[in-house]
Amino acid sequence: NAGVTQTPKFRILKIGQSMTLQCTQDMNHNYMYWYRQDPGMGLKLIYYSVGAGITDKGEVPNGYNVSRSTTEDFPLRLELAAPSQTSVYFCASSYRVQRGSNNQPQHFGDGTRLSIL
Amino acid sequence: AQTVTQSQPEMSVQEAETVTLSCTYDTSESNYYLFWYKQPPSRQMILVIRQEAYKQQNATENRFSVNFQKAAKSFSLKISDSQLGDTAMYFCAFIDSGNTGKLIFGQGTTLQVKP
Repeated sequence: NAGVTQTPKFRILKIGQSMTLQCTQDMNHNYMYWYRQDPGMGLKLIYYSVGAGITDKGEVPNGYNVSRSTTEDFPLRLELAAPSQTSVYFCASSYRVQRGSNNQPQHFGDGTRLSIL
Repeated sequence: AQTVTQSQPEMSVQEAETVTLSCTYDTSESNYYLFWYKQPPSRQMILVIRQEAYKQQNATENRFSVNFQKAAKSFSLKISDSQLGDTAMYFCAFIDSGNTGKLIFGQGTTLQVKP
């Protein structure tokens, strides 16, 4: 039972480089999320998706892009890496029947530690 | 705005003893869900326990229980018979009642269980 799988686990980028963080889930969840966690802090939402083809911004979307072409996959793209994007990135998913149905917990991947030098 | 506050950045407890982690939140909603997540050094986010606001009974999961005080907007976590494996950062989280379903996290409490 894989759950939410993130790749890579670690990555070092140079300033200005681009990369894609991969996230896939095998639970047929409709909602997917990308969070970032800075040292000693809680998680903040970057982008989320309520289903294939639908994405929207969270609290801290600047410098990132997402797509959701399938239910399973929700990649996060960094176009021009900056030192401020050094963080741990978590992908999560959940199943929600309708607006206001909030009782399903989110399942998290193991995170990607990204350093921008 | 919905916020979650954890006022204890660090705590420690002796093995086998009991410890309580505090959490307060702010919302204008009447029905919502609260969670405690555990993050060990491995960085995984592990769901510990959840509470539905319309349920008066406090949630319990083995050694973990909550004290949910809806009027006071308080949601503390009690860990009984603490074990070394409980050493981790603990996050209190509140789920957004809107369309996003996003989690709003507190700042976290680092718990050290001492042998």
